Amino acid sequence: AQSVTQPDIHITVSEGASLELRCNYSYGATPYLFWYVQSPGQGLQLLLKYFSGDTLVQGIKGFEAEFKRSQSSFNLRKPSVHWSDAAEYFCAVGAKEYGNKLVFGAGTILRVKS
Amino acid sequence: KAGVTQTPRYLIKTRGQQVTLSCSPISGHRSVSWYQQTPGQGLQFLFEYFSETQRNKGNFPGRFSGRQFSNSRSEMNVSTLELGDSALYLCASTYAGTSNNEQFFGPGTRLTVL
Repeated sequence: AQSVTQPDIHITVSEGASLELRCNYSYGATPYLFWYVQSPGQGLQLLLKYFSGDTLVQGIKGFEAEFKRSQSSFNLRKPSVHWSDAAEYFCAVGAKEYGNKLVFGAGTILRVKS
Repeated sequence: KAGVTQTPRYLIKTRGQQVTLSCSPISGHRSVSWYQQTPGQGLQFLFEYFSETQRNKGNFPGRFSGRQFSNSRSEMNVSTLELGDSALYLCASTYAGTSNNEQFFGPGTRLTVL
């Protein structure tokens, strides 16, 4: 069965500092991997996705993520955080065999200090 | 292009009642998935409908059901409401049948069960 672990429930970074949010997944075959962001009271917005190919993927809002098969990880990074990045971030895994079903991690709440 | 629409946005019900939530996908999208989001359990997959057929179902009791119409609009129904059904219910639409396509989430319906 698929599973996703986001080990950090809360992270606080200073504005302008770099950010890395961790995500580990468990799935036997080749997963489809996603990062979503959710602002309070809002739905989910896709930041980036990985299906195959280049393991470093670029997303919106200056985010990137790197797929590391050997570590079963898909960590999200941003070189310089803006106050507007404060939100909750979810890593998710899907697979061809499961249609459009996504399994989400528990989320990481990002707080940005000014 | 209009986004995913969910109605109503907020709903208050009492235990034992039933509720129907509606989701209108992006025009041309054939797949609609439903998720339940709670502080304790996070985001959990309920079911997915693709071309009016339920393709996938999560681990929820039979009180949770859904359907999809020929215009791809989807409804989910929860019968005999329990306090634990209080949650944000999100639907996501996508064009095709596998998760290597971007899923677009609606703003959600906030259900409160008293």
